This record gives sequence, structure tokens and C-alpha cells, in this order.
Amino acid sequence: DADVTQTPRNRITKTGKRIMLECSQTKGHDRMYWYRQDPGLGLRLIYYSFDVKDINKGEISDGYSVSRQAQAKFSLSLESAIPNQTALYFCATSGRTSGYQETQYFGPGTRLLVL
Amino acid sequence: GQNIDQPTEMTATEGAIVQINCTYQTSGFNGLFWYQQHAGEAPTFLSYNVLDGLEEKGRFSSFLSRSKGYSYLLLKELQMKDSASYLCAVPGVNDYKLSFGAGTTVTVRA
Repeated sequence: DADVTQTPRNRITKTGKRIMLECSQTKGHDRMYWYRQDPGLGLRLIYYSFDVKDINKGEISDGYSVSRQAQAKFSLSLESAIPNQTALYFCATSGRTSGYQETQYFGPGTRLLVL
Repeated sequence: GQNIDQPTEMTATEGAIVQINCTYQTSGFNGLFWYQQHAGEAPTFLSYNVLDGLEEKGRFSSFLSRSKGYSYLLLKELQMKDSASYLCAVPGVNDYKLSFGAGTTVTVRA
């Protein structure tokens, strides 16, 4: 079974609709992240959470909100979807290691199309 | 903030070697990651360098020069399955967030 899962994997919605993307992990990691990926722009951080009680905005948080329901679950919401939110969305997790830094592990992604 | 540059595309022949460069400008330095991402799939971890020098992992090696703000990923004995995007990323200082470069798409031709 995958360590980081995302649902749905694909979603088509209309402008103005509210949608939620969900992420679950079985790695036992404290830290979770939401990114979006657009062609030519790479991965950009939307929100991140360093533990259940900690939520922080990333570089492109406008138009998005998140909820950390438990250590294992981190949801991303688009309150009122717009076409320029069409993108590939990734959830990632990281946790304590013996090294200097934490490796991030990514879910399979959600492909979102806003019409 | 972080400024990370890498070439957009590279093409190479099966069995050859390709070197993907990454330059970065950061307010502090806490290591550098390389990830591989096949089209439409999740990025997967390749390497992490925090000290200067070359680290080898099979066909893939990663090099870091902190004084030059420079890293490269070396792919040897290229295989068709190595066709993918390669992402350079640096974490923040005292932070676990990663800033990613736009990625280098490598195409391996027969």
C-alpha cells in the first residue's frame, strides 16, 4: 500500500464550486505539505503544517484553505474554484531522521481541471 | 528567499552521460536535494548533499560546491527509463520547507 495517498486522483469542476482534496499518510510523519505544479513553474508551496496544531501559509495560499484533521490527514480546499487553479496538486510528508534534513515523500497527485 | 536555476531541457542518447546543473542563491544553506519526476507522477527522492564533494549512488551521482552555490546531478549509462524531469530543491534555514527549481526535462533517445 502507498504511504501517501491522495483523493480524488482526477477532478473536473466548474468555476465557483467549492472542492476539497484529501491527503492521508501512514508514514507517521508530523509534517505535511500541499504543492501545486504548473508547466514551466515547478512545484510551489501552498500550505504546510509542522504538526497537528500548526498551519502555515506558503508562497501561493490565496484562494486556498487547509485543515489538519489528524497527524495522518491534511486536506486542501478551494473555496470558490477559478480556472487558473487548474493544475496538478501534490501532498507531501516529512519526518524526523538521523540526518541533517528531512526528505519529503510525495503522494501520487490530483489532477484538477476548473472549467 | 531562494533563487534556484536549472536548464529547462536536455537530450541525450541511450548509454551516454548527462550532467544537470543547478545554481542557487539562498539566505542560508541547509543542503540540497535532487528529485526525479516521471511525467504525470510524483517526485521521488534521489539524493541529498550538505557537504562539498561528489556522492555516488549507482548510475547517479550528485555534486555540491557550497562556495559556488552550485550542484550537479550526473546520470551515467543512460537508459530510456531515465527520461524524466529532474528537480533541484533547497530547504530553508532552520526550516523543513523546500524551494524547488522549475525542473530539467531529460529526454533519452535510442
